[in-house]
Amino acid sequence: DVKVTQSSRYLVKRTGEKVFLECVQDMDHENMFWYRQDPGLGLRLIYFSYDVKMKEKGDIPEGYSVSREKKERFSLILESASTNQTSMYLCATGRQVYEQYFGPGTRLTVT
Amino acid sequence: KNEVEQSPQNLTAQEGEFITINCSYSVGISALHWLQQHPGGGIVSLFMLSSGKKKHGRLIATINIQEKHSSLHITASHPRDSAVYICAAPSSGGGADGLTFGKGTHLIIQP
Repeated sequence: DVKVTQSSRYLVKRTGEKVFLECVQDMDHENMFWYRQDPGLGLRLIYFSYDVKMKEKGDIPEGYSVSREKKERFSLILESASTNQTSMYLCATGRQVYEQYFGPGTRLTVT
Repeated sequence: KNEVEQSPQNLTAQEGEFITINCSYSVGISALHWLQQHPGGGIVSLFMLSSGKKKHGRLIATINIQEKHSSLHITASHPRDSAVYICAAPSSGGGADGLTFGKGTHLIIQP
């Protein structure tokens, strides 16, 4: 069974704070992804990584950065949180890019 | 970039009814994903299929590669099937840059 964990289920931060969201997987998958999910917009890809220290921009990378120092861990960073970054953030992992297993999600509220 | 359209957006049905959710995409793909998300819950992968049909319990997924269309069927629907169902296809067909998701179908099964 693939296990994908995310550091928090719920998070409340203030505008301007630096926010770290962490994702850890235990299946030695090369590919890891960060999405955000918003009502009416569905899931949108922020960044993905296909190897350690490698990263690729997704559809909406503005305002975000990522870090992948170890294969099992992929971090999403909001350098200066803004209210429009209030969302559900989902991490996914997979051996193939189109094979994805999702974490439980982090609901982030920026006030 | 692939465009993924789902229909209907919302569906309410009575327990026991046969349910069909449709998904169409614009770029030829190697595999298509059907996902399920219960209210407040994480995302679970139901099927990944590249041709023909797959069945798991009361759930059946079909795909027609030539027509760029897939359907998810639920037989003998039950209130516990109430969830958002999401289809996803590789963004660039080959899958090198992650998945593009439909906006989801919000299904409610009434007892």
